[in-house]
Amino acid sequence: DADVTQTPRNRITKTGKRIMLECSQTKGHDRMYWYRQDPGLGLRLIYYSFDVKDINKGEISDGYSVSRQAQAKFSLSLESAIPNQTALYFCATSDGGAETQYFGPGTRLLVL
Amino acid sequence: ILNVEQSPQSLHVQEGDSTNFTCSFPSSNFYALHWYRWETAKSPEALFVMTLNGDEKKKGRISATLNTKEGYSYLYIKGSQPEDSATYLCACSNDYKLSFGAGTTVTVRA
Repeated sequence: DADVTQTPRNRITKTGKRIMLECSQTKGHDRMYWYRQDPGLGLRLIYYSFDVKDINKGEISDGYSVSRQAQAKFSLSLESAIPNQTALYFCATSDGGAETQYFGPGTRLLVL
Repeated sequence: ILNVEQSPQSLHVQEGDSTNFTCSFPSSNFYALHWYRWETAKSPEALFVMTLNGDEKKKGRISATLNTKEGYSYLYIKGSQPEDSATYLCACSNDYKLSFGAGTTVTVRA
């Protein structure tokens, strides 16, 4: 079984809809991250959490919110989706130290 | 957020040939440099983490070097094989976060 899972894997939604992307991990890591990837750009950090009570904005948090429901779960919400949020979204975890991150399989989101 | 640049953006290699490509990063406040391998439709996977100037890491036919004083890292693939086709991402860590470059996409032609 995968250590970091994301649901859904693919999603098509319409402008203005609320959508939630979910991430779960069995690695026992405290730190979790949400990134988006756009063609020609590096992974950009949306939000990150170092433990259940710690939530921090990343590079591009506008239009997004997150919830850390438990150590193992970190959800990303788009309150009112817009077409330029069409992207590949990755969740990642780490246990600190040298900060190697372990990525989920990604969620491909299309906003029409 | 650190400015991390990778070059070239893409390259094509004949099977059996060796290749290398570059990651540039700010040399001030350096903590660690990461290389990830990202195959299409899969998750990025960590290859190396390097922290010290002069570090060299090797995994099979893939190796990496680090120069923190001038702010660059090279990744080398020796004797490229079709299974080496992937996007190679580098990332610089600072303040417990990673800043990623846009990646170098390697295509190995049989």
